[in-house]
Amino acid sequence: EAGVVQSPRYKIIEKKQPVAFWCNPISGHNTLYWYLQNLGQGPELLIRYENEEAVDDSQLPKDRFSAERLKGVDSTLKIQPAELGDSAVYLCASSLGPAREGYTFGSGTRLTVV
Amino acid sequence: SQQGEEDPQALSIQEGENATMNCSYKTSINNLQWYRQNSGRGLVHLILIRSNEREKHSGRLRVTLDTSKKSSSLLITASRAADTASYFCAMSSGTSYGKLTFGQGTILTVHP
Repeated sequence: EAGVVQSPRYKIIEKKQPVAFWCNPISGHNTLYWYLQNLGQGPELLIRYENEEAVDDSQLPKDRFSAERLKGVDSTLKIQPAELGDSAVYLCASSLGPAREGYTFGSGTRLTVV
Repeated sequence: SQQGEEDPQALSIQEGENATMNCSYKTSINNLQWYRQNSGRGLVHLILIRSNEREKHSGRLRVTLDTSKKSSSLLITASRAADTASYFCAMSSGTSYGKLTFGQGTILTVHP
């Protein structure tokens, strides 16, 4: 089993530029999460998908962030335009169901906005 | 919002010693989970304890849950240098099983 696959692993962009992150969850996992982790902090939920439906996006800054999960499998998180404060690690996770069992996390994308 | 507070923020021990990390939370939970994160990597699920459980074991890990005190502890026995990592507690609360809220973590360093 490949685990949760994220790409790219690292991304450096200039402020005001767009950026996109991609996540491929574990096969059969219906629930997919995007978390943001700042240095020295715990992850914070951005959005949760049940299949292709975003069921919790209350923490997603919708003025610049967007996400999609087409066909209920892969997901893309986009930031446009990026700001300096967006520098962080973006983690994707998946599970069979919502929080009744442990999540499987990807290795994350480390974003640096300069 | 529900967020765990972990104590200590950092812990430094020698190989072979036991490591205990504590997590406190504010509101009732459905379950509490512990994760490990090695530097520059994603989180790895260690153990899940449900609100009606008081103790769980997995290998060298022992987790306790005291819902009356709204606290949990993670004990790693006979620690190894490879246990060096950040450890996070995470809570599932209320009707929103899907929202797992993480604490700020304990940085554990195990010296060979």
